[in-house]
Parts: sequence; structure tokens; C-alpha cells
Amino acid sequence: DTAVSQTPKYLVTQMGNDKSIKCEQNLGHDTMYWYKQDSKKFLKIMFSYNNKELIINETVPNRFSPKSPDKAHLNLHINSLELGDSAVYFCASSRQGGDEKLFFGSGTQLSVL
Amino acid sequence: RKEVEQDPGPFNVPEGATVAFNCTYSNSASQSFFWYRQDCRKEPKLLMSVYSSGNEDGRFTAQLNRASQYISLLIRDSKLSDSATYLCVALRGSYIPTFGRGTSLIVHP
Repeated sequence: DTAVSQTPKYLVTQMGNDKSIKCEQNLGHDTMYWYKQDSKKFLKIMFSYNNKELIINETVPNRFSPKSPDKAHLNLHINSLELGDSAVYFCASSRQGGDEKLFFGSGTQLSVL
Repeated sequence: RKEVEQDPGPFNVPEGATVAFNCTYSNSASQSFFWYRQDCRKEPKLLMSVYSSGNEDGRFTAQLNRASQYISLLIRDSKLSDSATYLCVALRGSYIPTFGRGTSLIVHP
């Protein structure tokens, strides 16, 4: 059973489009995250959610809107896609915020043309 | 200055060698530290937590030096399968696990 699953695995789209990435965890964790890994492989945190509530927004443009319908799901919607949004997006979860290990999804490779 | 800094490498070592990576962090309030491993085109996976007294897991040893604000990872008897990128993580606040850029390790026959 996949602990953290995200879909789609690949997303190719035109500039200006709107797209969503879905993430689900079956670990019973309270905290979920979105990370962006750029072409230089730098893994940068975007959002942290705890029990469906937004905790951290790391100065992400408001074209990015996360939504957590319940604590097992954290989806990411991106409006008006730009070339610079091309990256791999990873969803992750942890038992709670704090001294806890992260479990990552397998990533979504987003390519904006 | 980046919050978590690592030498990107690559470190190119023969099988059986011992190799060590360091990672520095800028936030003295960081309480928890980890090493993750990321294979090419895969997600990061936890390798080990780093405890204040240092800890060992098989061929891997992690150390924390709070005074100098760095953590280290030592790999003994390197295997070909150890080739990967090793990511250092410091918790900047409870909900902000902050990653370094990673150190690339290549183990060759």
C-alpha cells in the first residue's frame, strides 16, 4: 500500500492554464506539506498544514492555492501557470509538526510550455 | 546565507571507501535534524535522525555539533548502492522542515 500518493505523476501544460495536483496519505498523519524541487534540485517548502489548517505559507505566490478537505488530503491548485513553475512537486506528511520524519509522495513532474 | 548549506559535490569514491559529508545550519534555535537520501528521479527518504549524542545505524554515523551549528554523516565501507544525493534537514520551527541542497555521492567499482 502506498503511504503517500500523489497524482498525476507527469503534467505537461501550456502557460496560462490552471492545473491541480492531488495528494493523499493513509498513514493517519496530522501534518502535510508541499515542496517544490527546481532544476537545481533544491527542495523548497511551500506549505505546511496541520489537521486541515494552513500553518505555514512560505511566501508562495497566491496563484498557488492548497486545499485540505480532510487531514488525509492536501491538494494543490495552480492558476495561470508560468514557465518558472516547471519543477517537481512533492507532497509529504508527518505524524505531527515537530520532531517527526517526513514521508514523501513520488512527486509530480510539472512542465509548463 | 542559506538556512541549511551543503557542499553539492559530487563526491566520487571507490567501493569500500569511507566518506563524510557536513552540513551547516544558520538557525541556532533548530532542534531536530535528519539525513535523507534521494535517488535520481525519486522522492527523498529518511536515512536517519541525528541525535545530540551522535548515533550510528550500520555503516552510517551521524553527528551533531550545536556549538558550530553543523551536522555530519559518515559512511563506512561504501557500496555502489550508496550512490545518491544526501539531503540534510533542520527543523526551523515545528512545521518547517528545511532541506539543504544535497550532496551528491558517486561510488565507483
